[in-house]
Amino acid sequence: GDSVTQKEGLVTLTEGLPVMLNCTYQTIYSNAFLFWYVHYLNESPRLLLKSSTDNKRTEHQGFHATLHKSSSSFHLQKSSAQLSDSALYYCALNTEGADRLTFGKGTQLIIQP
Amino acid sequence: NAGVIQTPRHKVTGKGQEATLWCEPISGHSAVFWYRQTIVQGLEFLTYFRNQAPIDDSGMPKERFSAQMPNQSHSTLKIQSTQPQDSAVYLCASSNRDWGGVEQYFGPGTRLTVL
Repeated sequence: GDSVTQKEGLVTLTEGLPVMLNCTYQTIYSNAFLFWYVHYLNESPRLLLKSSTDNKRTEHQGFHATLHKSSSSFHLQKSSAQLSDSALYYCALNTEGADRLTFGKGTQLIIQP
Repeated sequence: NAGVIQTPRHKVTGKGQEATLWCEPISGHSAVFWYRQTIVQGLEFLTYFRNQAPIDDSGMPKERFSAQMPNQSHSTLKIQSTQPQDSAVYLCASSNRDWGGVEQYFGPGTRLTVL
């Protein structure tokens, strides 16, 4: 079945440094939709980015990610971390015809002053 | 659009008691999903409904967990004989299919604490 791997469970960074959260996936289907969800404390998880187009950069709220089907990756990046970026980030996969999203285990991002 | 509504936001039960969690999906959404979130396991899929019909309950612990969707405006997750290991945040999400992939909209969750 489909799977998503987020290899870092916890990432701690100093404010102003670049952010990169890793996400790789496995699926037998060629038509894959990749998502990044962000979950701030005491709020609902919400969609941050999504993409299904190979090698096209997607941006939102200062974050960006590029789907690379050749390496099955969809890493989340930001050039300069802010304290307010501290949250739990989930990468998720949806394949054609499926209702379900397959989530990774999540990466807790902590930004320190 | 009020978003996905979950009640209660917090629930504390004693070991062996029953807990019922409620979810009201976004109006017009055809699919409703239940997840359990813990630090160790992350976001675990439990079950989902499409057009009120149960489709996939492969993530549900078989013996004590059950879910229903009696009408299009709400779904319930019931845990019988709760155990301390059931303590988690239970999230409900709803979605509607479109060509761009299925974005799920989450509720705020119910934090269940079993003493």
